Amino acid sequence: NSKVIQTPRYLVKGQGQKAKMRCIPEKGHPVVFWYQQNKNNEFKFLINFQNQEVLQQIDMTEKRFSAECPSNSPCSLEIQSSEAGDSALYLCASSLRDRGGNTEVFFGKGTRLTVV
Amino acid sequence: GQGVEQPAKLMSVEGTFARVNCTYSTSGFNGLSWYQQREGQAPVFLSYVVLDGLKDSGHFSTFLSRSNGYSYLLLTELQIKDSASYLCAVREAGNMGYKLTFGTGTSLLVDP
Repeated sequence: NSKVIQTPRYLVKGQGQKAKMRCIPEKGHPVVFWYQQNKNNEFKFLINFQNQEVLQQIDMTEKRFSAECPSNSPCSLEIQSSEAGDSALYLCASSLRDRGGNTEVFFGKGTRLTVV
Repeated sequence: GQGVEQPAKLMSVEGTFARVNCTYSTSGFNGLSWYQQREGQAPVFLSYVVLDGLKDSGHFSTFLSRSNGYSYLLLTELQIKDSASYLCAVREAGNMGYKLTFGTGTSLLVDP
């Protein structure tokens, strides 16, 4: 069973408002991913971290989103100014550092964001 | 182009089997994972394959052909509770770690 904890489970924001969600990765997992799953079940990779360092992020994340994984605090993903198209399930996942083997990626239950 | 493709829906009958197909095109291939996702819940890891051939894990088995960019998840002795969405995810390795590229999932419905 996954031990990745995401809060809140549900988030409702108006257009233009900030939306912030948090993730506690599984203990001992230095790699953290954020994905956006839309109503068509399409997964969009947003950003990943190793410890506190950003490894990769897409252009959208760089411009409208901010994310961090500080030491000794939950990781967070924040949308600076929410848009209707941001309504989706935001999934956080964590894993051990990849050493080329069977590195299982564990997902949290997600934060469902609705922008009205 | 690069991507992961799966059929949207699949139906089968309790007690029989179901094969969920996945085709992919990607660079930096570093393995393929299968996840099960129920409505409103997190994807749950089922299997990871990186070598060609069939990997038998009991109720779930997975096959991979890297030269054809093809994998399938085989569920045997189906139960009603196997009805769920099954996601294929290709792991792409790069200079800065790796990421998973998902298909949109196959919704499996198991009829009595």
